Amino acid sequence: DIQMTQSPSSLSASVGDRVTITCRASQDFANYLAWYQQRPGKVPHLLIYGASTLQSGVPSRFSGSGSGTDFTLTISNLQPEDVGTYYCQKYNSSPRTFGQGTKVELK
Amino acid sequence: QVQLVQSGAEVKMPGASVKVSCRTSGYSFISYDINWVRQATGQGLEWLGWMNPNSGNKVYAQKFRGRVTLTRDTSTNTAYLELSSLTSEDTAVYFCVRGGGHYDSNGQYSIPAFDYWGQGTPVTVAS
Repeated sequence: DIQMTQSPSSLSASVGDRVTITCRASQDFANYLAWYQQRPGKVPHLLIYGASTLQSGVPSRFSGSGSGTDFTLTISNLQPEDVGTYYCQKYNSSPRTFGQGTKVELK
Repeated sequence: QVQLVQSGAEVKMPGASVKVSCRTSGYSFISYDINWVRQATGQGLEWLGWMNPNSGNKVYAQKFRGRVTLTRDTSTNTAYLELSSLTSEDTAVYFCVRGGGHYDSNGQYSIPAFDYWGQGTPVTVAS
């Protein structure tokens, strides 16, 4: 099975900062890579799919990049409402594995 | 609008089974896979399995094989998760989620991400 490893596991940044989260897969899986945001106490929701396509309604400060086994989520101008935990996921073949999550907090 | 509405919180004894429902609306139920994901308090997201509501085909995560059963009722557009032989380790919020497989009206297959989530069903296993 393909393993998904995120880094860092947590980070603290200031409003306006650029934040980068990485996700590494143990094998190539054709870029069916999604990013989800989970605000505290809320249901996760989809931010990016296909490694780089922004889901409808998601602010443009979020972007995704990467291919093969290495992927990145960038928040270009961190806002207070971006606090939460971010998960990457491979969603094509089974198992549809999630990364362990990256917790984003404000300084 | 697309909605996935789950059944309410459950409290079970160790060794018991739990069945969670996920009633869908706002889209063609048989056209999208339904997945089940769980999250223990303070922990990450764990995928349990998926089902194609049209064919009934299903795949379970290795960890849960033998304990998990996914079913559906196409007359009510409802998906079900049943988990048996519960232990305290199964205490978590369980989510149904649309995504991972889609057949359009022409029979073309695509692989969407997990785009709509149910509100979650807390399951507590305690004696």
